[in-house]
Amino acid sequence: EAGVTQSPTHLIKTRGQQATLRCSPISGHTSVYWYQQALGLGLQFLLWYDEGEERNRGNFPPRFSGRQFPNYSSELNVNALELEDSALYLCASSFGGQVGEQYFGPGTRLTVT
Amino acid sequence: LAKTTQPISMDSYEGQEVNITCSHNNIATNDYITWYQQFPSQGPRFIIQGYKTKVTNEVASLFIPADRKSSTLSLPRVSLSDTAVYYCLVGAPKGKLIFGQGTTLQVKP
Repeated sequence: EAGVTQSPTHLIKTRGQQATLRCSPISGHTSVYWYQQALGLGLQFLLWYDEGEERNRGNFPPRFSGRQFPNYSSELNVNALELEDSALYLCASSFGGQVGEQYFGPGTRLTVT
Repeated sequence: LAKTTQPISMDSYEGQEVNITCSHNNIATNDYITWYQQFPSQGPRFIIQGYKTKVTNEVASLFIPADRKSSTLSLPRVSLSDTAVYYCLVGAPKGKLIFGQGTTLQVKP
């Protein structure tokens, strides 16, 4: 069974640009979570999508947004990129909103110059 | 919001039992406690989850006292491959997900 996949693996952008990150959950999972992990820091919760709807949001500005498609894949958009947005962005999936056992992808490394 | 606190780092030797404690004084009634393991350049991996008392699986045990204001992850007989960062997660469906800062466990030969 395929795990959670994320693309691209690495992304380099310039300050002020927009970045789009993609995530495909494990087959059968309806929930997708996004996290930010800045260098040397823990995981910060960004967004939770379930059944196509945004269910919860972490303490991030509105320029962090996303959506979930009918096939449950998800997209994270970061507008007006700032240098401090440089981080590893992790996507996780689970069955229907279960907080416990989330399965994580390998992440997308975003570098803002 | 339940805020979690973990030790920044811990050292151990192969074959020893390791206990990592997470404090979550403001845990809510609906919150569960979950632990994850993360190796460099990888996404976290689920270890164990519990609500109260004790939970055990093939890799770890989780002890939660009656007041649920803390929890302890117990790793029996660690090996070098257990060197990783361990995260405590407190949360409930439809609630905020709060990760601790993580505990870096270094297992020495």
